[in-house]
Amino acid sequence: DTAVSQTPKYLVTQMGNDKSIKCEQNLGHDTMYWYKQDSKKFLKIMFSYNNKELIINETVPNRFSPKSPDKAHLNLHINSLELGDSAVYFCASSVTNGRVTQYFGPGTRLTVL
Amino acid sequence: SQQGEEDPQALSIQEGENATMNCSYKTSINNLQWYRQNSGRGLVHLILIRSNEREKHSGRLRVTLDTSKKSSSLLITASRAADTASYFCATEGYGGATNKLIFGTGTLLAVQP
Repeated sequence: DTAVSQTPKYLVTQMGNDKSIKCEQNLGHDTMYWYKQDSKKFLKIMFSYNNKELIINETVPNRFSPKSPDKAHLNLHINSLELGDSAVYFCASSVTNGRVTQYFGPGTRLTVL
Repeated sequence: SQQGEEDPQALSIQEGENATMNCSYKTSINNLQWYRQNSGRGLVHLILIRSNEREKHSGRLRVTLDTSKKSSSLLITASRAADTASYFCATEGYGGATNKLIFGTGTLLAVQP
């Protein structure tokens, strides 16, 4: 009965590798997000998709590419991983009509060695 | 940086005491939300206050909003050990992309049994 799920929970990889994180929500929401939380717990939005359309794209390196096959899924692919990419990545979802709350997944802790 | 500021950064209290956390932000907002994050988990929405509201209650939570000072406070009354977590404020601004939340820096609350 998990509302927003992410896989994997932990990801340890070498610099230069390419990796993907998957997110799925079963809440019937039409907007999904990716956030990055660094070691100081600063949480910043990276991307937002509404009905498979990109609507928020913050200043994120183009090594990061979100993909939304349908409105229940938003995956994050990262090319040529760098040490600075180490962080916890959270997926979230919401409806799209303002003043709404966002529902967060459990996070994926990415460690780049 | 657009990021909001929260203070204190860390707060340690005894069970039964009240905990107050403050949040300041920089731009005009549509609403302000508070989220809780338990260690190693995703964020959970607590309460939303609209820009035309000054105070809101939910159970043991009381939130105030002063738009003239661009600040908000979260009060947790009769705290419990289970309230131990990080607390984040998040603001949704006017215009631009809908549902974009700017998170504060967080307050780490420790409630001692």
